Amino acid sequence: DQQVKQNSPSLSVQEGRISILNCDYTNSMFDYFLWYKKYPAEGPTFLISISSIKDKNEDGRFTVFLNKSAKHLSLHIVPSQPGDSAVYFCAARATGTASKLTFGTGTRLQVTL
Amino acid sequence: KAGVTQTPRYLIKTRGQQVTLSCSPISGHRSVSWYQQTPGQGLQFLFEYFSETQRNKGNFPGRFSGRQFSNSRSEMNVSTLELGDSALYLCASSPEGHLLTEAFFGQGTRLTVV
Repeated sequence: DQQVKQNSPSLSVQEGRISILNCDYTNSMFDYFLWYKKYPAEGPTFLISISSIKDKNEDGRFTVFLNKSAKHLSLHIVPSQPGDSAVYFCAARATGTASKLTFGTGTRLQVTL
Repeated sequence: KAGVTQTPRYLIKTRGQQVTLSCSPISGHRSVSWYQQTPGQGLQFLFEYFSETQRNKGNFPGRFSGRQFSNSRSEMNVSTLELGDSALYLCASSPEGHLLTEAFFGQGTRLTVV
C-alpha cells in the first residue's frame, strides 16, 4: 500500500529551465510534507517542507506547492543547475506520528548542459 | 556540529547470521528513526526511538529490532538474515523540541547478505 507515490521514476531537464517533480498521497491524515535530495552513497538531505495549513513554501530556487483537495504536491526548481542532479524523495508525516516519515519511491532528476 | 554517524558503512554477512548496526544522532537530538532503502521500494520506516523507548514501528518482521541508549545512540539488530535484507539502512535523528522538524539522515550502512 503505497501511500506516497512519485509516478515519474526519472526526469531530464536542461540547465536553466524549470524542474517540476510531482508527488501524490492517499492518506488524509498526512499534515506535513518534506522533500529530500539524495546523492549516491549519501544519506538523504532535507530540502524544503510544507505544513498542510499552507499551499506554498519557497526557499531560494526551491518552491513546494500543496494541493490538499487533490492530495498532490510538487517541487519546483528554478533555475535548474547540474548540481541538482540527484534522486528526489517526497515524504509525509501523519498527525501524531512524530518522526515517522512515509516516503515515495523517488524521482531521479538529470539536469543536462 | 557533527552530523548523524552510522557504523559500519559497509557490511557483508551470510544468510542466517545476525547483524547489529549503530547510529549516533546529532548532539541534543533525542529521536532516532531507522529506514530501509531497497531499489524499487524507496525508504521504508522500520522504527523510531525517543528517550530510550520505541515510539513508532513499521511493518517489518520481528527479526528486526532496535534499542536506544541514554545518550540517544541507537542500534538496530537483524537476526536470521535473509537475502532480501540486503539494503541500505539509514538512520535519522530529530530534535523533537519542535513539532514540525525535519529529520537529519546519516550516510547509511550498506548491508549485503550472501
